[in-house]
Amino acid sequence: EVVMTQSPATLSVSPGERATLSCRASQSISSNLAWYQQKPGQAPRLLIYSASTRATGIPARFSGSGSGTEFTLTISSLQSEDFAVYYCQQSNKWPPLTFGGGTKVEIK
Amino acid sequence: EVQLLESGGGLVQPGGSLRLSCAVSGFIFNTYAMSWVRQAPGKGLEWVSAISSSGASTYYADSVKGRFTISRDDSKNTLYLQMNSLRAEDTAIYYCAKDGRGNYISYFDYWGQGTLVTVSS
Repeated sequence: EVVMTQSPATLSVSPGERATLSCRASQSISSNLAWYQQKPGQAPRLLIYSASTRATGIPARFSGSGSGTEFTLTISSLQSEDFAVYYCQQSNKWPPLTFGGGTKVEIK
Repeated sequence: EVQLLESGGGLVQPGGSLRLSCAVSGFIFNTYAMSWVRQAPGKGLEWVSAISSSGASTYYADSVKGRFTISRDDSKNTLYLQMNSLRAEDTAIYYCAKDGRGNYISYFDYWGQGTLVTVSS
């Protein structure tokens, strides 16, 4: 099983600042990585797939990078609606598909 | 507009059974693989099961293998999850999710709103 590890668990950021979230895979997953955003009481929403491709309708302030075992989600200038929990998910080696434990982005 | 609507959740005793349904619209159902993903209260996301677009191939997490069965009815545009021998640790919100690449299990571009399953005596 590919273990996905996200850091930090919680990130405190002021509105307008840049946020950088990390996701590490226990083995190489090429670029088969997706990022999701989840707000309280809502289903997850796809942000990024194939490590760096923004999903339909996702603002340009969200960007993804990385390949192999190290990945990053960057939010260039945090807006109020961006405070949420973010998950990474690999699909290179399955079953099982695996998610990271999540990073909560909170208001500083 | 793509829509996924789960139903069938509820309170069930340990050892009991439930069948979840996910009615979909807005896309050609029989050309996409589908999955179930769950989230225990206050916890992260856990993939549970997936089914190919044809229904010929199914996949399960070890935690549910032998107890859960995924299926689909393309004539009804509906995905199912039959859950047997339920345990307290199966308590979670269950989401159905559409694959983003068609018949390849990859990422999930659309999710339902979820249905809560509570296993308790």
